[in-house]
Amino acid sequence: DAGVTQSPTHLIKTRGQQVTLRCSPKSGHDTVSWYQQALGQGPQFIFQYYEEEERQRGNFPDRFSGHQFPNYSSELNVNALLLGDSALYLCASSSLRGSVNTEAFFGQGTRLTVV
Amino acid sequence: RKEVEQDPGPFNVPEGATVAFNCTYSNSASQSFFWYRQDCRKEPKLLMSVYSSGNEDGRFTAQLNRASQYISLLIRDSKLSDSATYLCVVTLGFQKLVFGTGTRLLVSP
Repeated sequence: DAGVTQSPTHLIKTRGQQVTLRCSPKSGHDTVSWYQQALGQGPQFIFQYYEEEERQRGNFPDRFSGHQFPNYSSELNVNALLLGDSALYLCASSSLRGSVNTEAFFGQGTRLTVV
Repeated sequence: RKEVEQDPGPFNVPEGATVAFNCTYSNSASQSFFWYRQDCRKEPKLLMSVYSSGNEDGRFTAQLNRASQYISLLIRDSKLSDSATYLCVVTLGFQKLVFGTGTRLLVSP
């Protein structure tokens, strides 16, 4: 079992550019959530995808968008990058078929630096 | 006010010490409660779930007080390998995890 995999692991972008981050969930999981973790802070919920639809969204601007594919993998897109978007982006997978206490497993994250 | 508040620390303790972390949460609709551990520049990993009845896993004991909206974690006989950041987490909505800022623990020889 490969667990949750994210790509790339590190990325450097310039202000104003666009970026796409990718996540493959753990085998058997159908739900993908994305989090942003700034240095010294806890992860902040961006949004969650289930059945290829955005189910919940945190307090992030529309520059942050996502997608889920039929194989449950997901992408996070960020447009018009700002210096403040520099952070560790974490993907968590879980299953909606289980109980509400189903453990969420995190990928190793993508460290995005905006210069 | 933050939804989940924790003392960021760091807590510096010697090996073998007992250390306690606390956190409070503001939304009474919070459904589930967890402690996650995060090592430097790594992803968070579930340490344990937290229940009102209290639960223990080896040297770790977690407790939830719903009336006070307060969660605690007790680590006994601290090991060097316990050095990490401990994140207090509640869920709002289905599996929407709300994290505190984390409490940093440094265990020294």
